[in-house]
Amino acid sequence: TQLLEQSPQFLSIQEGENLTVYCNSSSVFSSLQWYRQEPGEGPVLLVTVVTGGEVKKLKRLTFQFGDARKDSSLHITAAQPGDTGLYLCAGPMYSGGGADGLTFGKGTHLIIQP
Amino acid sequence: DAGVIQSPRHEVTEMGQEVTLRCKPISGHNSLFWYRQTMMRGLELLIYFNNNVPIDDSGMPEDRFSAKMPNASFSTLKIQPSEPRDSAVYFCASSLVRGGYLDTQYFGPGTRLTVL
Repeated sequence: TQLLEQSPQFLSIQEGENLTVYCNSSSVFSSLQWYRQEPGEGPVLLVTVVTGGEVKKLKRLTFQFGDARKDSSLHITAAQPGDTGLYLCAGPMYSGGGADGLTFGKGTHLIIQP
Repeated sequence: DAGVIQSPRHEVTEMGQEVTLRCKPISGHNSLFWYRQTMMRGLELLIYFNNNVPIDDSGMPEDRFSAKMPNASFSTLKIQPSEPRDSAVYFCASSLVRGGYLDTQYFGPGTRLTVL
């Protein structure tokens, strides 16, 4: 099983600030996903990155997949209280894709204070 | 269209009792996954099914855990006997796997299990 480490574990910042959270592994992943989870709910997919070096934007969120496909980052510009949540990165449990269970990082608990 | 449905949403039971968690995946999805989430260990895959067939159950912690998927619209996760260390939030997720790349998994709201 391939392991994913996320940092920081907790992050509390003021509204309007920028932030970056990281997802790292010693293993190569065919793809990585980022999920956001709110209290009392299941994770919801934000993005899937597939190609090394790929950058995807989702409004104020920018996701990057490392060139070597061992790491990924999530950058939030001008954070808002609605961005508060648990951000999880996930990759296929084994080297393949398709019908594969996910291995998750432990997540970054993000709090945006008004 | 309804999302993944899980029941019950909360379960409190005493050690030694049998617990059954239920999941109805999104209609048309061909893969179903059971995960467990705790503060210490995060979100862990327990077992997953493809076309109702168990593919990988290596994440099932012990023989006390069992899962079934008798048809495409229903799955159960059973713990017998339950222990306090089984306390966690259990998520079911479903996906339409088309092969070749990582597909989107849709998670249910989870069942919060407390074993006293």
